[in-house]
Amino acid sequence: GNSVTQMEGPVTLSEEAFLTINCTYTATGYPSLFWYVQYPGEGLQLLLKATKADDKGSNKGFEATYRKETTSFHLEKGSVQVSDSAVYFCASGSGNTGKLIFGQGTTLQVKP
Amino acid sequence: GAGVSQSPRYKVAKRGQDVALRCDPISGHVSLFWYQQALGQGPEFLTYFQNEAQLDKSGLPSDRFFAERPEGSVSTLKIQRTQQEDSAVYLCASSLTPPAVEQFFGPGTRLTVL
Repeated sequence: GNSVTQMEGPVTLSEEAFLTINCTYTATGYPSLFWYVQYPGEGLQLLLKATKADDKGSNKGFEATYRKETTSFHLEKGSVQVSDSAVYFCASGSGNTGKLIFGQGTTLQVKP
Repeated sequence: GAGVSQSPRYKVAKRGQDVALRCDPISGHVSLFWYQQALGQGPEFLTYFQNEAQLDKSGLPSDRFFAERPEGSVSTLKIQRTQQEDSAVYLCASSLTPPAVEQFFGPGTRLTVL
């Protein structure tokens, strides 16, 4: 079945550091790929998405590129802020319904 | 409000009790999903509705779990004879059309079974 694997956390960075959170997937066909973010005390929010190979999703300075050849969708940001501290989930859309298959989540803590 | 709402936000149940969790999706959204999120884990799919039809219930962990969406809007997830392993956050999400390209999540219901 489909699955998503993302790098384990927690990840601790200083403000303005470069961020990479790795995500790989297994799937039949070419699913849509997503990054969701969960800020402390809040619900899951869609951060960015890509629906086909080589698409780049971007939002709030975050980017991720759908790489079919490496089955990856790594999340990057050039300069993180304290306000980016949250849990990040990589997910793939599955089947005719689009139900989401999530990775286990990566906690990011950014220190001033 | 414009978002997905869930109630109650917190529920404590004694083992063996039945619980009912409610989800109000965004008005007009056809697709509705339920997910279960254990502590420190990513959400896991439970079931899917397209309008009032339950088209996928492959993620329901046992026959103690039952979901309905009788009028194609509000949905209820019911857990009978709760057990400690049912303790988790239950998330509801809705999407305008199937297949769901973007799902909007509610704040979740945190269920604790003692």
